[in-house]
Amino acid sequence: DSGVTQTPKHLITATGQRVTLRCSPRSGDLSVYWYQQSLDQGLQFLIQYYNGEERAKGNILERFSAQQFPDLHSELNLSSLELGDSALYFCASSNPARRETQYFGPGTRLLVL
Amino acid sequence: QQPVQSPQAVILREGEDAVINCSSSKALYSVHWYRQKHGEAPVFLMILLKGGEQKGHEKISASFNEKKQQSSLYLTASQLSYSGTYFCGTEARDDKIIFGKGTRLHILP
Repeated sequence: DSGVTQTPKHLITATGQRVTLRCSPRSGDLSVYWYQQSLDQGLQFLIQYYNGEERAKGNILERFSAQQFPDLHSELNLSSLELGDSALYFCASSNPARRETQYFGPGTRLLVL
Repeated sequence: QQPVQSPQAVILREGEDAVINCSSSKALYSVHWYRQKHGEAPVFLMILLKGGEQKGHEKISASFNEKKQQSSLYLTASQLSYSGTYFCGTEARDDKIIFGKGTRLHILP
């Protein structure tokens, strides 16, 4: 158990819909990262937040957005969903005192039908 | 740019050794190694900072050649529990970690 929690564990929805994935980082970790993992892809970095502020952006689509709240939990919003958005979405957290070592949550498996 | 990992997949018998390579076209500040078992989240193995250091973790060690922007992960006397997909993540100065596509390792008894 990494100490990072993600909800829900599974999500099944239809094309065109909008979903919200939630992540709670490990206690004391200020950074939260979001990744997308598809069957034929590795881990695709989406976005990073540090203490509430956006820190780095990766291959995140305009239909996707994220935020980190004052209590440091983060949400990833996916809208106008397409079949190709079906994937495993991981959240990870890190402590600035331990250079970028990331602890991954169990992931949310999203299936878009 | 996404680092390139090689080989894409390895099948070993228990007790054999393996080397997984990771190379980048960018100047690197650090290299991270993770292992992911099927259906589970990636788990951190080790991080190597620039300076050409080598690190070890049980029978798993890694080296980082910053001049060549390459890292290698060494698995010695592999155990069944080593099976999984190994990802390297490279970090340049922009604070983003970019992961390779992974190397699948399967250990046979």
